[in-house]
Amino acid sequence: AQSVAQPEDQVNVAEGNPLTVKCTYSVSGNPYLFWYVQYPNRGLQFLLKYITGDNLVKGSYGFEAEFNKSQTSFHLKKPSALVSDSALYFCAVRDSRGGGFKTIFGAGTRLFVKA
Amino acid sequence: EADIYQTPRYLVIGTGKKITLECSQTMGHDKMYWYQQDPGMELHLIHYSYGVNSTEKGDLSSESTVSRIRTEHFPLTLESARPSHTSQYLCASRRTGQGDQETQYFGPGTRLLVL
Repeated sequence: AQSVAQPEDQVNVAEGNPLTVKCTYSVSGNPYLFWYVQYPNRGLQFLLKYITGDNLVKGSYGFEAEFNKSQTSFHLKKPSALVSDSALYFCAVRDSRGGGFKTIFGAGTRLFVKA
Repeated sequence: EADIYQTPRYLVIGTGKKITLECSQTMGHDKMYWYQQDPGMELHLIHYSYGVNSTEKGDLSSESTVSRIRTEHFPLTLESARPSHTSQYLCASRRTGQGDQETQYFGPGTRLLVL
């Protein structure tokens, strides 16, 4: 069965500092991994995805994520946080075997960036 | 920015009323989804469709129904709204691509308040 975990409900970081939002997953096949961001009263906005290839994936707004197969993790990172990065972040996983496997979303991590 | 639209964005309605939440996408995606999300909380899949005339119930039981008569349109209907239906409803779509790699894109959401 597929599952994804975001162990932190909330992450607090000062503006200019690096940020990390954690995600671990479980799938039977190879994973397709996604990060989304949600601002208040909005839908989810796609940030980046890992399908295959280079373990470090770069996405929108300076975000990047590193796929670590041995640790089954896909943590979201940014070298220097902005106040405008404050939002709700969702990690998602889909089994690469296809066949109708659905995308599973984590419970979300709220990021607060303080000026 | 994804071409997926939801109307209305906000709806306040009385108990017992019938409502339809509209979702349309212009990307030609075959797969479409409805999620229910309480503010700032995790997403719950309530309905999905793999194409025209295909609809399935999701992981979370819902009293709503959906239809998929056209590829681009995936409306959700509540025959008799109740206060327990108060939530945010997010529509999403994606294309069936090579290796099932395609990203799921979200609409802006409909915030429903049932009095």
